[in-house]
Amino acid sequence: DIQMTQSPASVSASVGDSVTITCRASQAISNWLAWFQQKPGKAPKLLIFPASSLQSGVPSRFSGSGSGTDFTLTISSLQPEDFATYYCQQANAFPVTFGQGTRLEIK
Amino acid sequence: QVQLVESGGGVVQPGGSLRLSCAASGFIFSNTDMHWVRQAPGKGPEWVAFIHFGGALTYYAESVKGRFTISRDNSKNTLHLQMNSLRPEDTAFYHCANTEGSRWELLNFWGQGTLVTVSS
Repeated sequence: DIQMTQSPASVSASVGDSVTITCRASQAISNWLAWFQQKPGKAPKLLIFPASSLQSGVPSRFSGSGSGTDFTLTISSLQPEDFATYYCQQANAFPVTFGQGTRLEIK
Repeated sequence: QVQLVESGGGVVQPGGSLRLSCAASGFIFSNTDMHWVRQAPGKGPEWVAFIHFGGALTYYAESVKGRFTISRDNSKNTLHLQMNSLRPEDTAFYHCANTEGSRWELLNFWGQGTLVTVSS
């Protein structure tokens, strides 16, 4: 199975800051990497797939990069609605696997 | 718009069975591959099972293989998950999710989920 390692587990930031979350795959997955945002009590929402392609309706302050084993999600100019938990997911092969999540909290 | 509505969750004793359903609308269900994914309270998502749009091809997580069965009724736009020999570690919200494009492994849109609690 492909292991997905996300870091940091949590990060505190202020409105207007920029944050970067990283996700590392245990083997190369090309660019088959998705990023999800989850708010309390809600289902995860797809933000980016593959790797650097923003889904329709996702604000341009979100960006993704990387290929192979190392990927990043960057959120620039944080807005109040961005404080949530973020997960990466590899879509290269079954079984589908997720990172452990990064909780983005307001400082 | 896309809607996925899960039902069938509840409290069940260890060793028991439960059948979950997912009603789909807003997209061509019969042409769309589907997944079940679960999330224990306070934990990250864990993929459970996949079914090809025609129903003939399925994949399962090792943790549920031999106990859970994914199926679909394309005439009713409904996805199912039959869960047998349930264990306390199966306690979670169970979400159905569709795919989009050519990548079977992508979980695109998720339903809100139904809670399964396995407890004596």
